[in-house]
Amino acid sequence: GQQVMQIPQYQHVQEGEDFTTYCNSSTTLSNIQWYKQRPGGHPVFLIQLVKSGEVKKQKRLTFQFGEAKKNSSLHITATQTTDVGTYFCAVISNTGKLIFGQGTTLQVKP
Amino acid sequence: DAGVIQSPRHEVTEMGQEVTLRCKPISGHNSLFWYRQTMMRGLELLIYFNNNVPIDDSGMPEDRFSAKMPNASFSTLKIQPSEPRDSAVYFCASTTGHRLSTDTQYFGPGTRLTVL
Repeated sequence: GQQVMQIPQYQHVQEGEDFTTYCNSSTTLSNIQWYKQRPGGHPVFLIQLVKSGEVKKQKRLTFQFGEAKKNSSLHITATQTTDVGTYFCAVISNTGKLIFGQGTTLQVKP
Repeated sequence: DAGVIQSPRHEVTEMGQEVTLRCKPISGHNSLFWYRQTMMRGLELLIYFNNNVPIDDSGMPEDRFSAKMPNASFSTLKIQPSEPRDSAVYFCASTTGHRLSTDTQYFGPGTRLTVL
């Protein structure tokens, strides 16, 4: 079935450093969604990418969808302690279900 | 606006007991999803409903798990009998259901279940 690999699993950065998480699929994706889950919280929708090569920005967050629509990335510029949490990508399976990646847990040291 | 509501928020029970988790989706949303989250397996989709009808329950672990959606504003996930390996956080999520492939999922706060 549809699977998506997300790397890295964990990332520790110093506040102010940049952070990037990657999501990769062996098949072409129709779209990809990104969610953030704070410690002890629930996943919250961040953004959806649909078009090949699409780039979207939300303040310090930059989301990219690969040209071949098989990979995506989330980049955070100058991390802050409020960025702490787990970032998930999610893709639609061929049966219409939303499949979540394993997530990348970000720790930010002040 | 009220988001997805789940109850209880925490549940501690003993092995063999029946557990019922409850969810109220966002008003007007037509699709409802139950997920289980553990460290080992991540976020797993258990079952989802569209217009109160179960569409895909292939993620339900075994016969001890059952889910119902008697109306558009209420769903339950039942585990009977519960086992320690069922300990996890169970999330309910809802979407408008207009286009499942692109709908945003709105998650509830989750129920943290501990089975002793």
